Amino acid sequence: DGGITQSPKYLFRKEGQNVTLSCEQNLNHDAMYWYRQDPGQGLRLIYYSQIVNDFQKGDIAEGYSVSREKKESFPLTVTSAQKNPTAFYLCASRVPGSRGELFFGEGSRLTVL
Amino acid sequence: SQQGEEDPQALSIQEGENATMNCSYKTSINNLQWYRQNSGRGLVHLILIRSNEREKHSGRLRVTLDTSKKSSSLLITASRAADTASYFCATADGATNKLIFGTGTLLAVQP
Repeated sequence: DGGITQSPKYLFRKEGQNVTLSCEQNLNHDAMYWYRQDPGQGLRLIYYSQIVNDFQKGDIAEGYSVSREKKESFPLTVTSAQKNPTAFYLCASRVPGSRGELFFGEGSRLTVL
Repeated sequence: SQQGEEDPQALSIQEGENATMNCSYKTSINNLQWYRQNSGRGLVHLILIRSNEREKHSGRLRVTLDTSKKSSSLLITASRAADTASYFCATADGATNKLIFGTGTLLAVQP
């Protein structure tokens, strides 16, 4: 079945540690996105990539980094520079060249202890 | 930045009743989309309405779009307990093509 797989589902991190969230898709989509969701809030765009080896900052990129070495994969690293990293992180992808719907993974919940 | 603002923030109804949620946005759009999110899960796309459309239907869902007022509404008819979820509108920015999400409406359907 085609879809987006995020891992891990839950992650705990000590302050000062970097952590990488995985996002893999087999939908053959060029565009991929990372969003952050805080309790009772909407989604805020962290980074997005329209094509392999290219990515752009979203609205809240500070303290995060990404890479896009393969079409299928778009990992997100939450660095120690992110001051408030506890949140629900959602990865999504989109049909190439489209202004249409996003397909989402099931999310990763990061808690900083 | 969040473009869309949903209203109400929370809505509680009885099974069988209709639920109406509203979304307002600020800038020009290519389309407006509605998504559903069950607690602790990813979002699922429900319906897309283009900027040149005024109304669209999909099953028990009816979406309207008023570009002059920069607003949209989502109507869920004959609601079921399984409709309990958060509902988000998202607008495709006309300039950047990015999807910008609203703050969501939490719908609770009581059995």
